[in-house]
Amino acid sequence: QVQLVQSGAEVKRPGASVKVSCKASAYTFTNYYIHWVRQAPGQGLEWMGIIDPRDINTNSPHKFLGRVTMTRDTSSSTVYMELSSLTSDDTAIYYCARGRAGAKTAFDFWGQGTLVIVSS
Amino acid sequence: EVVLTQSPGTLSLSPGDRATLSCRASQSVRSSYLAWYQQEPGQAPRLLIYAASNRAPGIPDRFSGSGSGTDFTLTISRLEPEDFAVYYCQQYDHSPRTFGQGTKVDLK
Repeated sequence: QVQLVQSGAEVKRPGASVKVSCKASAYTFTNYYIHWVRQAPGQGLEWMGIIDPRDINTNSPHKFLGRVTMTRDTSSSTVYMELSSLTSDDTAIYYCARGRAGAKTAFDFWGQGTLVIVSS
Repeated sequence: EVVLTQSPGTLSLSPGDRATLSCRASQSVRSSYLAWYQQEPGQAPRLLIYAASNRAPGIPDRFSGSGSGTDFTLTISRLEPEDFAVYYCQQYDHSPRTFGQGTKVDLK
């Protein structure tokens, strides 16, 4: 069955960077965009950006521009999201989710989430 | 960006009750690019409804979605114990994709 398996929890100091991975299986990797969504403790969902595994085009909301980098490795069907210049406001669970490429679609499968704690 | 406002913030109901959740967009969402997700505590969100009214595979028919333009509704016809959770709407017509702040359905 379709799975998105994310890397484990991270604890980072303010100012550091974190890189979260999302490994896809049981579907054609390049047929689906990967989105990143985060959820701060007790809060709602916030969309962070999208990567197209076909051509590595990415798009992110203005608030994350310059701080978020999304990449992919087609040989392992893995997408990476790196967030830099971390502050305590970046403490959250980070999810990857897929949406069909070439179309506007909802997110039909989600990873299990990666907890990132930013603390001095 | 498109702001989605969900109401009510919390809905206190009993098993067997009907739940009606609202999602209002600050501008029109074309072609009903509107989804609903369910999130149980400690779990990732799960897609329930896409394109405003289409149930995702495996979603029971007690869940239904309706609406267009700026006003959308998720209805749970008869609440089961596993339906007590938080529900989010999302628009995927405009960038950035945005979510509502959520409606919590809890036990009365």
